[in-house]
Amino acid sequence: QQQVRQSPQSLTVWEGETAILNCSYENSAFDYFPWYQQFPGEGPALLISILSVSDKKEDGRFTIFFNKREKKLSLHIADSQPGDSATYFCAAMSNYNVLYFGSGTKLTVEP
Amino acid sequence: EAAVTQSPRNKVTVTGGNVTLSCRQTNSHNYMYWYRQDTGHGLRLIHYSYGAGNLQIGDVPDGYKATRTTQEDFFLLLELASPSQTSLYFCASSDDRGREQYFGPGTRLTVL
Repeated sequence: QQQVRQSPQSLTVWEGETAILNCSYENSAFDYFPWYQQFPGEGPALLISILSVSDKKEDGRFTIFFNKREKKLSLHIADSQPGDSATYFCAAMSNYNVLYFGSGTKLTVEP
Repeated sequence: EAAVTQSPRNKVTVTGGNVTLSCRQTNSHNYMYWYRQDTGHGLRLIHYSYGAGNLQIGDVPDGYKATRTTQEDFFLLLELASPSQTSLYFCASSDDRGREQYFGPGTRLTVL
């Protein structure tokens, strides 16, 4: 079964809006949560990550909000740009160097 | 200069065929991974390795073998390819903490 779930499957926003991508997980042992960004024809690349001891992580226009009690996290992309159009994967890891990926959210930013 | 390379980039084979996908990394990483990516499933781990000669089983290993010949090289073998193995395959590498994985550009495999 999927250990990491993402929603929505696809999302379209206008340029300048905030895109919100959601993620949830089952395994309480997960303590590290990266988000990967993938453009068509390329492999995924790490965008931003958070440890379970934190509830928020910011990097420029990208912010992760983390709720350990509810086992949920979200990626907020502020002032979305057409260049942010990509597929975003939420992932989770515990101690063993294995990442569990969600099914991805395809983001389209319309100019 | 790309640190994780994969070959071939595209491959078409027939059911029952023999396929080898190659991956090389120049990151000096101990960990290497093979994933398959399918719509609706995201990335699923097939096999991974933490050094030459080592192999660990991932979440979807059935029908796949892998071999790590050196720190740099990791191969994925499909000895009797089936149409269900039609997919986009990614190789990745990471350091011993494993928190950032560096992905190659992918190999698109079609099994007819």
